[in-house]
Amino acid sequence: EPEVTQTPSHQVTQMGQEVILRCVPISNHLYFYWYRQILGQKVEFLVSFYNNEISEKSEIFDDQFSVERPDGSNFTLKIRSTKLEDSAMYFCASTAESGGVETQYFGPGTRLLVL
Amino acid sequence: AQSVTQLDSHVSVSEGTPVLLRCNYSSSYSPSLFWYVQHPNKGLQLLLKYTSAATLVKGINGFEAEFKKSETSFHLTKPSAHMSDAAEYFCVVIPYSSASKIIFGSGTRLSIRP
Repeated sequence: EPEVTQTPSHQVTQMGQEVILRCVPISNHLYFYWYRQILGQKVEFLVSFYNNEISEKSEIFDDQFSVERPDGSNFTLKIRSTKLEDSAMYFCASTAESGGVETQYFGPGTRLLVL
Repeated sequence: AQSVTQLDSHVSVSEGTPVLLRCNYSSSYSPSLFWYVQHPNKGLQLLLKYTSAATLVKGINGFEAEFKKSETSFHLTKPSAHMSDAAEYFCVVIPYSSASKIIFGSGTRLSIRP
């Protein structure tokens, strides 16, 4: 069964450094998402992406965040200058279509720790 | 405003006994409702979803959930728990036609006693 993959599984970085989290969505999917889950808290929506541009973003997704689909398979989340509070599990998800009924398929997540 | 409430942060049952994980939602529209499971160090796996077809939805691993509009509930059940069911379970609401506004419940940790 096709699945969403994410790399790396874990990343440790120093505050102020840039990180890039990578995702490979399911190949025929067109809509892509990033979420994060701070330890002990709910999963939160960050951003949705379609047709090479951001569709929606949350208040969390400020100027230090950016997303990109650099080629036909990867979907990346960049954090320009990490803060301690960026430490979280980051999940990528994809769907074949947008809309309320479509199931989102999630990757296994990248656990980011900012020191 | 849309919201989802998982009434129990932790549920513990004995192996072979029934499982009930409770979820209530609030939505102005006809939402899509999902249950996801997260095993330790794993991603979120879809268990089942409700999309306004049958109110009783069957999922993987013997789980099922019943959509009750009058009670605004979507509780997850399984007749007989297995040790491998130990995980975190999330009730998820997607308001109609807004997949990017997905709302996660706070999660219920299910423990299984031998």
